Amino acid sequence: KNEVEQSPQNLTAQEGEFITINCSYSVGISALHWLQQHPGGGIVSLFMLSSGKKKHGRLIATINIQEKHSSLHITASHPRDSAVYICAVRSGGGADGLTFGKGTHLIIQP
Amino acid sequence: GAVVSQHPSRVICKSGTSVKIECRSLDFQATTMFWYRQFPKQSLMLMATSNEGSKATYEQGVEKDKFLINHASLTLSTLTVTSAHPEDSSFYICSASRPSEGNTIYFGEGSWLTVV
Repeated sequence: KNEVEQSPQNLTAQEGEFITINCSYSVGISALHWLQQHPGGGIVSLFMLSSGKKKHGRLIATINIQEKHSSLHITASHPRDSAVYICAVRSGGGADGLTFGKGTHLIIQP
Repeated sequence: GAVVSQHPSRVICKSGTSVKIECRSLDFQATTMFWYRQFPKQSLMLMATSNEGSKATYEQGVEKDKFLINHASLTLSTLTVTSAHPEDSSFYICSASRPSEGNTIYFGEGSWLTVV
């Protein structure tokens, strides 16, 4: 079973700061997902990675398959970025469910 | 708009009753859907894999007779919590992958279940 570790668990930063959230996993994967969960519970998929780097707006996600590590970066952070960010991995193909990290609770203060 | 729709978003039921939660893929066919549960301040946990036209696959520790899953069509999976108890109170959420978008995962809105 894959163990997914995220750090930090909680992060409070000032608006405009560069944010980094880290994720490591124990077993080889087919894909890694970064998710955003808002207080009401709704979850949005931000990225799906199997290698390299992806960028969407102010968000950047990278993955190092050899080191079993991924990072999510937020540039020019804004209070609306405040949410729980969750790393999740899929070990097999599309028929396999996800294993989740515990999440990083991010608060961006104005 | 939503790609995967889940209903109801909130439900309160009495102990001993059953409650059904629906998960629909709105504009694509999903042969496989997943059901997850999240207790307060804990991580999401996979409960079961819902397979269209066949039996669901349950994760270890999840009672298949208590959490009934029916995936009768390519766009609908239902989770029924039978004989609900207060300890079943949780956030339940489904997901499906959209093949036309490289299997991008879409989550339903989630359902908050409170058993009183």
